[in-house]
Amino acid sequence: KNEVEQSPQNLTAQEGEFITINCSYSVGISALHWLQQHPGGGIVSLFMLSSGKKKHGRLIATINIQEKHSSLHITASHPRDSAVYICAVRGGGATNKLIFGTGTLLAVQP
Amino acid sequence: GAGVSQTPSNKVTEKGKYVELRCDPISGHTALYWYRQSLGQGPEFLIYFQGTGAADDSGLPNDRFFAVRPEGSVSTLKIQRTERGDSAVYLCASSRDRVGSEQFFGPGTRLTVL
Repeated sequence: KNEVEQSPQNLTAQEGEFITINCSYSVGISALHWLQQHPGGGIVSLFMLSSGKKKHGRLIATINIQEKHSSLHITASHPRDSAVYICAVRGGGATNKLIFGTGTLLAVQP
Repeated sequence: GAGVSQTPSNKVTEKGKYVELRCDPISGHTALYWYRQSLGQGPEFLIYFQGTGAADDSGLPNDRFFAVRPEGSVSTLKIQRTERGDSAVYLCASSRDRVGSEQFFGPGTRLTVL
């Protein structure tokens, strides 16, 4: 079992829909990251959070430390949101390394 | 530079050859990470540098893989006797320091071993 699990693996939505991507983890963490990766492109950090909720434009990320669960929401989705969304956790200890989920491939159709 | 850069962007080599992949972190970032992403998977940690030293190399899959960062800036990931299973995108990331800092990713090097 992976230490970081995402669902769904694939998601197709119509433009304008509200989208939720879920992430569950099984290890102790100091922070959780949501990242975006476009085909053939690099990885861009969307959020880094350790508690509560953060909002940036149409994106909202929440985390529940007790339940070891985080969600990424996209409101009023647009085709340009089509990408792979990756959840990654940073464990405790001396290393700042990230442990990644396998990603959620999102396709928003016009 | 403005961001993390990696060269080459693509590398095709033959099985058994030696390859070097380069990472230029953001200026002033002391922490540098190498990750490997196989097709359809999330990235996996390889090695972490704090300054010039490899603080954690627990992710290197075997002794064919080695990385250096001699002056605490540019890093080179070296792969000896490449195998087809080494084919992947190799990602580099840097952060300002170790504790609680956001990691900034480079565009990656796509390595294909024929």
